[in-house]
Amino acid sequence: QSVLTQPPSVSVAPGQKVTISCSGSSSNIGNNYVSWYQQLPRTAPKLLIYDNNKRPSEIPDRFSGSKSGTSATLGITGLQTGDEADYYCGTWDSSLNAWVFGGGTKLTVL
Amino acid sequence: EVQLVESGGGLVQPGGSLRLSCAASGFIFSDHYMDWVRQAPGKGLEWVGRSRNKAKSYTTDYAASVKGRFTISRDDSENSLYLQMNSLKTEDTAVYYCVRALRLTGTTHFDLWGRGTLVTVSS
Repeated sequence: QSVLTQPPSVSVAPGQKVTISCSGSSSNIGNNYVSWYQQLPRTAPKLLIYDNNKRPSEIPDRFSGSKSGTSATLGITGLQTGDEADYYCGTWDSSLNAWVFGGGTKLTVL
Repeated sequence: EVQLVESGGGLVQPGGSLRLSCAASGFIFSDHYMDWVRQAPGKGLEWVGRSRNKAKSYTTDYAASVKGRFTISRDDSENSLYLQMNSLKTEDTAVYYCVRALRLTGTTHFDLWGRGTLVTVSS
């Protein structure tokens, strides 16, 4: 059972948009910045979004992040088959003194 | 080239020990917090622990699941991070990633990942 809650899977048609939610509490998302990671099949995770809504320079603006209260959301527009991956949210938990990840969301583009 | 390269994974029996290494290059290793993250086969990401930099007195934090069994250390002169794993259990079987934790605001994020090294705990 992960400290951060994500939907296990989402399926979307090519070209459409999707949002992936990440729910936590005041000890983690509520008082810390959230980051998002993409893990393509058989590869190491890659940073997509940091500090709730900032993108590394190499990440296209199809990817966006937001946070409200104790929840965060990853948005992806113009979905492509190459976006099929597992997506994880994460942040520091000030009560646990530990970094916490969501359980991950498997995105299928069909 | 900016990169992290893990080594030291392999097959070990339950109750045994293993030491993982992570060689960093292309950036000022001593400036950064460094973490270990693992992923059991077919499962999600699990944070293992953190080594902070000299400015933060090289303090460490660990996940509850490994506290007292795993120890993270670093050698800034060698640009290397280590994970000493003792009293290994079958549930420690995972790919272990070395990760750079960048701190721009009050919260870190993982901006650089190694390719990982597989640890298998089995009799």
